[in-house]
Amino acid sequence: AQTVTQSQPEMSVQEAETVTLSCTYDTSENNYYLFWYKQPPSRQMILVIRQEAYKQQNATENRFSVNFQKAAKSFSLKISDSQLGDTAMYFCAFMAYSGGGADGLTFGKGTHLIIQP
Amino acid sequence: DSGVTQTPKHLITATGQRVTLRCSPRSGDLSVYWYQQSLDQGLQFLIHYYNGEERAKGNILERFSAQQFPDLHSELNLSSLELGDSALYFCASSSQRTGAIQYFGAGTRLSVL
Repeated sequence: AQTVTQSQPEMSVQEAETVTLSCTYDTSENNYYLFWYKQPPSRQMILVIRQEAYKQQNATENRFSVNFQKAAKSFSLKISDSQLGDTAMYFCAFMAYSGGGADGLTFGKGTHLIIQP
Repeated sequence: DSGVTQTPKHLITATGQRVTLRCSPRSGDLSVYWYQQSLDQGLQFLIHYYNGEERAKGNILERFSAQQFPDLHSELNLSSLELGDSALYFCASSSQRTGAIQYFGAGTRLSVL
C-alpha cells in the first residue's frame, strides 16, 4: 500500500513571496503519477500540477513547479509570486498505474496555505 | 467548471436510511472514481469503475456500493447510514487521453442526523 506524507499542516507567507510545500511518499510500484491538488474554501478539488514518475524533468505550470526526487521519494511544490487566490488546502496525491487500469488517488493530509496581503 | 456533475449538492438524512449519490463524468471519460472526505479520515478513495466494470476498490464499507451505467453515469449507494458517514463525497472522471488526470465534481455534502 502507498502512503503520502505532508509534514506541514499549515503555512503562511506574504503575497508575492515564494513558498515550498513538502510531500514524501512510500511505494513499491514502478509506474505511477504524482499530483498536487488545490482545495479552496469552495471545496472544489482543482488540479495544480502532475508528474509522471518515468520523466526526470520536473513539471512546471506557470507559477507552479515541482521538485521531484524519485530516489528520495520526495515531491515538493513551489509556488512563485504567491497571490491571495492561492490561499487553499493543498493535497499531494499518488496514483499507481498498472497494466490493468489505474487505481485511485492516495492523498496526504494536506497543507493549509495562507497568503497574507 | 470541471465538466463532472454531481447531484445533489447537499443531502440531509437520518441514521439507518439509504441514499443515492449521482455522478455524470466529463464527455468521453470512461473512468469514474468515488472519494470520501471527512475530518477524521481525510480524503479516501472508495471505488473505481471503468466503462461499466469495477476496476479497483479502496476503503469502501460493505454498506456502500456503486455502479456505472451504459451511459457512463455512476451512482454511489450508501445504506444503513451512521453519523460517521457524514462527509463530502466526490466523484472524479478521467480518460487515457488526459493522461490519468482525474477531474473532480463539486461534491455532495452528506449530513446524517
